[in-house]
Amino acid sequence: DSGVTQTPKHLITATGQRVTLRCSPRSGDLSVYWYQQSLDQGLQFLIQYYNGEERAKGNILERFSAQQFPDLHSELNLSSLELGDSALYFCASSPTGWSYNEQFFGPGTRLTVL
Amino acid sequence: AQTVTQSQPEMSVQEAETVTLSCTYDTSENNYYLFWYKQPPSRQMILVIRQEAYKQQNATENRFSVNFQKAAKSFSLKISDSQLGDTAMYFCAFMTGMGNDMRFGAGTRLTVKP
Repeated sequence: DSGVTQTPKHLITATGQRVTLRCSPRSGDLSVYWYQQSLDQGLQFLIQYYNGEERAKGNILERFSAQQFPDLHSELNLSSLELGDSALYFCASSPTGWSYNEQFFGPGTRLTVL
Repeated sequence: AQTVTQSQPEMSVQEAETVTLSCTYDTSENNYYLFWYKQPPSRQMILVIRQEAYKQQNATENRFSVNFQKAAKSFSLKISDSQLGDTAMYFCAFMTGMGNDMRFGAGTRLTVKP
């Protein structure tokens, strides 16, 4: 158990819908990262937050957005869902936002878009 | 742009034997970090080992060790005394010293046979 929690574990929805994925980092970790793992794109970094502010952006679509709240939990919002958005979405946390810190991954949320 | 290449989609090894997984990367940076992550059937991402580019000594964690060849931009993982629990997908990953965009290879599916 990494100490990072993600809810829900599974999510099934329809095209065009909007969903919110939630992540609670390890106690004391200030930085949260979001990743997408899909069959065709592999593992991709989406976005990073550090202490409530966006720090880095990766291959995140405009239909996707995220935020980190004062209690440091983070939410990833996915809208106008398409079939290709079906994937495993991971959240990871680290003590600081710097790369020398290990990132601890949550168990993931499996999103299925029908 | 930084890229990570894992040229072995699948490998297998007999229990108690040694196996080496290959990884090459491309970067113009001098300060960076390299990682091997394990993803068992549970889908949890688990850090196996990491290497700082500025360190010449190869990292070792129990049965896991790396062969880091900076000039060749090669970062292979050696698993000694393979165990059935080592069966998993293994991802090589790269992150620059200042950046936060972790890049992953496509993965190598390792099967340990009894």
